[in-house]
Amino acid sequence: AQSVTQPDIHITVSEGASLELRCNYSYGATPYLFWYVQSPGQGLQLLLKYFSGDTLVQGIKGFEAEFKRSQSSFNLRKPSVHWSDAAEYFCAVSPPGGGNKLTFGTGTQLKVEL
Amino acid sequence: EAGVTQFPSHSVIEKGQTVTLRCDPISGHDNLYWYRRVMGKEIKFLLHFVKESKQDESGMPNNRFLAERTGGTYSTLKVQPAELEDSGVYFCASSLQQTTEAFFGQGTRLTVV
Repeated sequence: AQSVTQPDIHITVSEGASLELRCNYSYGATPYLFWYVQSPGQGLQLLLKYFSGDTLVQGIKGFEAEFKRSQSSFNLRKPSVHWSDAAEYFCAVSPPGGGNKLTFGTGTQLKVEL
Repeated sequence: EAGVTQFPSHSVIEKGQTVTLRCDPISGHDNLYWYRRVMGKEIKFLLHFVKESKQDESGMPNNRFLAERTGGTYSTLKVQPAELEDSGVYFCASSLQQTTEAFFGQGTRLTVV
C-alpha cells in the first residue's frame, strides 16, 4: 500500500532563513506528488504539484520542490522564509494518471521566529 | 467565486449522539471528496462523489458513517451514533474533473465527549 512519510513533525526557523521540508513516499510506480499548506483557520491550499517532466517544480508563494526518483523523495524548499509562512504543510500522492484520492503524510508544523 | 464551504466549523457532541456535517462545493464541480484527520495523524480519504453517485467509498470507516449528495450539489456526512474515536477534523474538497485540482474547505472540527 502507498504511504507518505514526513519525518519532521515540527520545524522552527528564523525569518529570512532557508527552509526544507522533507517528504518520502512509498509507491509501486511514480505517483503524482503534491504539497499543500494549511494556515490557521483556512482550508488546505495547493502549493505545487509534480506529474512528469522537469523534476524541479515551482509553486506559489515562492516555494519549490524537487522530485528525486532514486530517493523516492519530494522535498519542499523556500530560500527565505517569511513570518506569514507559519502553517502546517502536507505532502501527498495520488495514483499515476491523477485523481484526487490523495494519500497524505502526517504534516509538518512550521514555526517562524522573528 | 465562493470556495468550498463547510458547516459547522466546530461541533461538540456526546458519545452516542448524531451529528451531520455539510459541505457546499464550488458551483459546477461534479466531484466531491470527504477526508478526515484524526488528531496527530494523517489526513485520510473517506469517499468520492461524482455528481450524486458514490464513485469510491473505500475509506469510510464503518456503517456509522453515511454520506449523501442528493441532487449532486451539496453533500452531508452523518455520523450515527458518534463514538470517541470519531473526533477529528473533517475536510471536504471539490474538483471540476477527477484529474483537475481539488479545492479544500476549511474543515469541520468534531469533538465527541
